[in-house]
Amino acid sequence: DQQVKQNSPSLSVQEGRISILNCDYTNSMFDYFLWYKKYPAEGPTFLISISSIKDKNEDGRFTVFLNKSAKHLSLHIVPSQPGDSAVYFCAARNDMRFGAGTRLTVKP
Amino acid sequence: GAVVSQHPSRVICKSGTSVKIECRSLDFQATTMFWYRQFPKKSLMLMATSNEGSKATYEQGVEKDKFLINHASLTLSTLTVTSAHPEDSSFYICSAYKGTGSYEQYFGPGTRLTVT
Repeated sequence: DQQVKQNSPSLSVQEGRISILNCDYTNSMFDYFLWYKKYPAEGPTFLISISSIKDKNEDGRFTVFLNKSAKHLSLHIVPSQPGDSAVYFCAARNDMRFGAGTRLTVKP
Repeated sequence: GAVVSQHPSRVICKSGTSVKIECRSLDFQATTMFWYRQFPKKSLMLMATSNEGSKATYEQGVEKDKFLINHASLTLSTLTVTSAHPEDSSFYICSAYKGTGSYEQYFGPGTRLTVT
């Protein structure tokens, strides 16, 4: 049973604007979350992570927010660039099953 | 860095034959490796967890006799698709944990299998 879900299959934003990708989880025991980025015909690459003891982690243009009470995390990309166009997956370290992912398209 | 390679990157085989895909961690030892399958325009589906020196743990619905996984060393795991059929055509990706307190997986570049 999928315990980490991404309910938005796609997102389209204009270059320079903010991209917000969302992820929900069901297991309150999950203690560490990761975001991966995947281009077509390639393996995913690690992007950013967050521990459950934090509510925010920032790395350059990428920020991940964690709301434990809502069992929700989000990835913010600002400013978005065309090279960010890819499929983004969120995952919990306790569960190696990936959700459906969100396809982000950043338009020039 | 942490690099994971896969070989071959592409393979075409005939129905009924077997194909072996190798996954190697090039600059670290991986006690645990994972095998995923991606269908066109679909998410990554976890097939199995491969632990060095022990039997792989397969996900529900994945036939262990069809998808043979061997993790013979700390840097190599293999996936053998036995008696391949066209429906086995897919993009297969492996990943590995570095296991040094970090939780991110390092993914291989994937193997495109086409069964004719």
